[in-house]
Amino acid sequence: GAGVSQTPSNKVTEKGKYVELRCDPISGHTALYWYRQSLGQGPEFLIYFQGTGAADDSGLPNDRFFAVRPEGSVSTLKIQRTERGDSAVYLCASSRQFGDYNEQFFGPGTRLTVL
Amino acid sequence: TQLLEQSPQFLSIQEGENLTVYCNSSSVFSSLQWYRQEPGEGPVLLVTVVTGGEVKKLKRLTFQFGDARKDSSLHITAAQPGDTGLYLCAGGSVGGSQGNLIFGKGTKLSVKP
Repeated sequence: GAGVSQTPSNKVTEKGKYVELRCDPISGHTALYWYRQSLGQGPEFLIYFQGTGAADDSGLPNDRFFAVRPEGSVSTLKIQRTERGDSAVYLCASSRQFGDYNEQFFGPGTRLTVL
Repeated sequence: TQLLEQSPQFLSIQEGENLTVYCNSSSVFSSLQWYRQEPGEGPVLLVTVVTGGEVKKLKRLTFQFGDARKDSSLHITAAQPGDTGLYLCAGGSVGGSQGNLIFGKGTKLSVKP
Protein backbone atom coordinates (compact mmCIF):
# COMPACT_ATOMS: atom_id res chain seq x y z
CA GLY A 1 0.00 0.00 0.00
CA ALA A 2 0.94 3.66 -0.23
CA GLY A 3 0.44 4.54 3.44
CA VAL A 4 2.65 4.45 6.53
CA SER A 5 3.04 0.92 7.84
CA GLN A 6 4.06 -0.20 11.32
CA THR A 7 5.09 -3.57 12.66
CA PRO A 8 4.20 -5.38 14.76
CA SER A 9 0.60 -4.28 15.21
CA ASN A 10 0.61 -5.65 18.74
CA LYS A 11 3.49 -6.42 21.09
CA VAL A 12 3.19 -7.98 24.53
CA THR A 13 6.33 -8.11 26.62
CA GLU A 14 7.42 -8.52 30.19
CA LYS A 15 8.73 -5.79 32.43
CA GLY A 16 12.46 -5.34 31.95
CA LYS A 17 12.60 -6.68 28.40
CA TYR A 18 13.86 -4.87 25.28
CA VAL A 19 11.52 -4.11 22.35
CA GLU A 20 11.87 -2.70 18.85
CA LEU A 21 9.04 -1.10 16.91
CA ARG A 22 9.37 -0.52 13.17
CA CYS A 23 7.96 2.16 10.90
CA ASP A 24 7.93 2.29 7.09
CA PRO A 25 7.05 5.83 5.95
CA ILE A 26 5.34 6.86 2.74
CA SER A 27 7.80 6.60 -0.14
CA GLY A 28 9.51 9.92 -0.78
CA HIS A 29 8.61 11.45 2.59
CA THR A 30 11.75 12.87 4.17
CA ALA A 31 10.37 13.66 7.61
CA LEU A 32 9.37 10.94 10.08
CA TYR A 33 7.80 11.31 13.51
CA TRP A 34 7.13 9.06 16.49
CA TYR A 35 4.28 9.70 18.94
CA ARG A 36 2.90 7.81 21.91
CA GLN A 37 -0.83 7.67 22.65
CA SER A 38 -2.08 6.53 26.03
CA LEU A 39 -5.69 5.55 26.63
CA GLY A 40 -7.99 8.56 26.54
CA GLN A 41 -5.24 10.93 25.46
CA GLY A 42 -4.12 12.56 22.26
CA PRO A 43 -0.81 11.56 20.68
CA GLU A 44 2.28 12.83 22.52
CA PHE A 45 5.35 13.76 20.48
CA LEU A 46 8.49 11.68 21.04
CA ILE A 47 11.03 12.33 18.26
CA TYR A 48 11.27 13.71 14.74
CA PHE A 49 13.72 12.82 11.95
CA GLN A 50 14.62 14.90 8.93
CA GLY A 51 16.44 12.44 6.69
CA THR A 52 18.75 10.27 8.79
CA GLY A 53 19.24 12.66 11.68
CA ALA A 54 17.06 13.27 14.71
CA ALA A 55 16.04 16.92 14.34
CA ASP A 56 14.17 17.02 17.66
CA ASP A 57 14.21 14.30 20.34
CA SER A 58 12.89 16.49 23.12
CA GLY A 59 9.83 14.28 23.64
CA LEU A 60 11.70 11.09 24.52
CA PRO A 61 10.76 10.48 28.17
CA ASN A 62 14.16 9.13 29.31
CA ASP A 63 17.30 7.40 28.08
CA ARG A 64 15.57 4.02 27.85
CA PHE A 65 14.02 5.27 24.61
CA PHE A 66 16.04 5.55 21.43
CA ALA A 67 15.19 5.76 17.74
CA VAL A 68 17.20 5.41 14.55
CA ARG A 69 16.66 5.98 10.86
CA PRO A 70 19.98 4.87 9.32
CA GLU A 71 19.09 5.18 5.63
CA GLY A 72 16.57 7.97 5.81
CA SER A 73 13.58 5.72 5.24
CA VAL A 74 12.61 2.98 7.73
CA SER A 75 12.83 3.91 11.41
CA THR A 76 13.06 1.78 14.53
CA LEU A 77 12.00 2.89 18.00
CA LYS A 78 13.88 0.99 20.67
CA ILE A 79 12.84 0.72 24.30
CA GLN A 80 15.18 -0.81 26.86
CA ARG A 81 14.19 -2.22 30.26
CA THR A 82 10.50 -1.76 29.56
CA GLU A 83 8.22 -0.64 32.38
CA ARG A 84 4.47 -1.07 32.81
CA GLY A 85 4.07 2.67 32.28
CA ASP A 86 5.45 2.29 28.75
CA SER A 87 2.23 0.51 27.73
CA ALA A 88 0.58 2.61 25.02
CA VAL A 89 -0.01 2.81 21.28
CA TYR A 90 3.12 3.99 19.49
CA LEU A 91 2.27 5.92 16.34
CA CYS A 92 4.56 6.77 13.46
CA ALA A 93 3.87 9.53 10.93
CA SER A 94 5.63 10.93 7.89
CA SER A 95 5.45 14.14 5.90
CA ARG A 96 6.72 15.11 2.48
CA GLN A 97 9.29 17.62 3.63
CA PHE A 98 10.40 19.87 6.42
CA GLY A 99 8.19 22.89 7.00
CA ASP A 100 5.28 21.31 5.14
CA TYR A 101 2.82 22.92 7.56
CA ASN A 102 3.26 19.71 9.49
CA GLU A 103 0.80 17.76 7.31
CA GLN A 104 1.63 14.41 8.80
CA PHE A 105 0.21 11.07 7.69
CA PHE A 106 -0.07 8.43 10.39
CA GLY A 107 0.34 4.69 10.46
CA PRO A 108 -2.04 2.38 12.36
CA GLY A 109 0.26 2.19 15.37
CA THR A 110 1.83 -0.56 17.46
CA ARG A 111 -0.01 -1.40 20.66
CA LEU A 112 2.62 -2.18 23.30
CA THR A 113 1.59 -3.97 26.47
CA VAL A 114 4.15 -4.41 29.24
CA LEU A 115 3.11 -7.03 31.79
CA THR B 1 4.24 24.73 27.73
CA GLN B 2 1.77 24.87 24.89
CA LEU B 3 -1.54 23.12 25.50
CA LEU B 4 -4.61 22.56 23.38
CA GLU B 5 -7.89 22.12 25.25
CA GLN B 6 -10.69 20.37 23.40
CA SER B 7 -14.35 20.50 24.34
CA PRO B 8 -16.57 18.73 24.81
CA GLN B 9 -14.65 15.61 25.73
CA PHE B 10 -17.60 13.36 24.81
CA LEU B 11 -20.59 14.02 22.56
CA SER B 12 -23.47 11.67 21.80
CA ILE B 13 -26.09 12.86 19.33
CA GLN B 14 -28.78 11.56 17.00
CA GLU B 15 -28.34 11.27 13.25
CA GLY B 16 -29.25 14.53 11.53
CA GLU B 17 -28.26 16.85 14.36
CA ASN B 18 -25.62 19.56 14.04
CA LEU B 19 -22.64 19.88 16.37
CA THR B 20 -19.59 22.00 17.05
CA VAL B 21 -16.38 20.99 18.79
CA TYR B 22 -13.80 23.44 20.04
CA CYS B 23 -10.05 23.58 20.34
CA ASN B 24 -8.59 26.37 22.49
CA SER B 25 -5.19 27.52 23.65
CA SER B 26 -3.47 30.52 25.18
CA SER B 27 -0.62 30.01 22.69
CA VAL B 28 -0.32 31.01 19.06
CA PHE B 29 0.16 28.23 16.51
CA SER B 30 1.67 28.39 13.02
CA SER B 31 -0.95 25.95 11.76
CA LEU B 32 -3.84 23.95 13.13
CA GLN B 33 -4.91 20.57 11.91
CA TRP B 34 -7.92 18.40 12.55
CA TYR B 35 -7.68 14.63 12.53
CA ARG B 36 -10.25 11.88 12.92
CA GLN B 37 -9.23 8.61 14.56
CA GLU B 38 -11.15 5.34 14.69
CA PRO B 39 -10.43 2.55 17.20
CA GLY B 40 -7.30 0.58 16.32
CA GLU B 41 -6.21 3.03 13.65
CA GLY B 42 -3.97 6.04 13.38
CA PRO B 43 -5.33 9.59 13.06
CA VAL B 44 -6.40 10.60 9.55
CA LEU B 45 -5.85 14.20 8.49
CA LEU B 46 -9.05 16.09 7.68
CA VAL B 47 -7.83 19.64 7.13
CA THR B 48 -5.01 22.10 7.76
CA VAL B 49 -5.66 25.79 8.44
CA VAL B 50 -2.79 28.25 8.48
CA THR B 51 -4.21 31.79 8.25
CA GLY B 52 -5.97 33.59 11.10
CA GLY B 53 -9.71 33.77 10.38
CA GLU B 54 -9.50 31.07 7.72
CA VAL B 55 -12.60 28.97 7.08
CA LYS B 56 -12.50 25.70 5.16
CA LYS B 57 -15.41 23.53 4.17
CA LEU B 58 -15.20 19.81 3.49
CA LYS B 59 -18.68 18.58 2.50
CA ARG B 60 -20.68 18.72 5.78
CA LEU B 61 -17.66 19.75 7.86
CA THR B 62 -16.68 23.40 8.40
CA PHE B 63 -13.38 24.30 10.03
CA GLN B 64 -12.43 27.72 11.35
CA PHE B 65 -9.12 29.06 12.61
CA GLY B 66 -9.38 31.94 15.08
CA ASP B 67 -8.19 35.40 14.07
CA ALA B 68 -5.36 35.23 16.61
CA ARG B 69 -4.44 31.66 15.61
CA LYS B 70 -5.03 30.41 19.16
CA ASP B 71 -8.26 28.50 18.66
CA SER B 72 -10.26 26.54 16.14
CA SER B 73 -13.65 24.96 15.73
CA LEU B 74 -15.13 22.10 13.76
CA HIS B 75 -18.81 22.22 12.86
CA ILE B 76 -20.61 19.18 11.44
CA THR B 77 -23.97 19.63 9.74
CA ALA B 78 -26.53 16.82 9.68
CA ALA B 79 -24.29 14.30 11.42
CA GLN B 80 -24.31 10.71 10.21
CA PRO B 81 -23.32 7.48 11.99
CA GLY B 82 -20.23 7.36 9.78
CA ASP B 83 -19.01 10.55 11.48
CA THR B 84 -18.52 8.59 14.72
CA GLY B 85 -14.93 8.73 15.94
CA LEU B 86 -12.34 10.65 17.94
CA TYR B 87 -11.70 14.15 16.61
CA LEU B 88 -8.26 15.54 17.43
CA CYS B 89 -6.91 19.01 16.89
CA ALA B 90 -3.16 19.50 16.60
CA GLY B 91 -1.09 22.67 16.47
CA GLY B 92 2.26 23.40 14.87
CA SER B 93 4.53 25.52 17.09
CA VAL B 94 5.56 29.01 16.06
CA GLY B 95 9.33 29.16 16.12
CA GLY B 96 9.64 25.52 17.05
CA SER B 97 11.26 22.68 15.15
CA GLN B 98 8.12 22.39 13.05
CA GLY B 99 8.25 18.70 13.73
CA ASN B 100 6.52 18.86 17.06
CA LEU B 101 2.74 18.72 16.66
CA ILE B 102 0.89 19.38 19.91
CA PHE B 103 -2.35 17.43 20.17
CA GLY B 104 -5.44 17.97 22.24
CA LYS B 105 -7.02 15.05 24.09
CA GLY B 106 -9.78 14.78 21.53
CA THR B 107 -13.56 14.83 21.35
CA LYS B 108 -15.18 11.41 21.19
CA LEU B 109 -18.25 11.69 18.96
CA SER B 110 -20.98 9.09 18.77
CA VAL B 111 -23.77 9.53 16.23
CA LYS B 112 -26.71 7.20 16.77
CA PRO B 113 -28.99 6.19 13.88
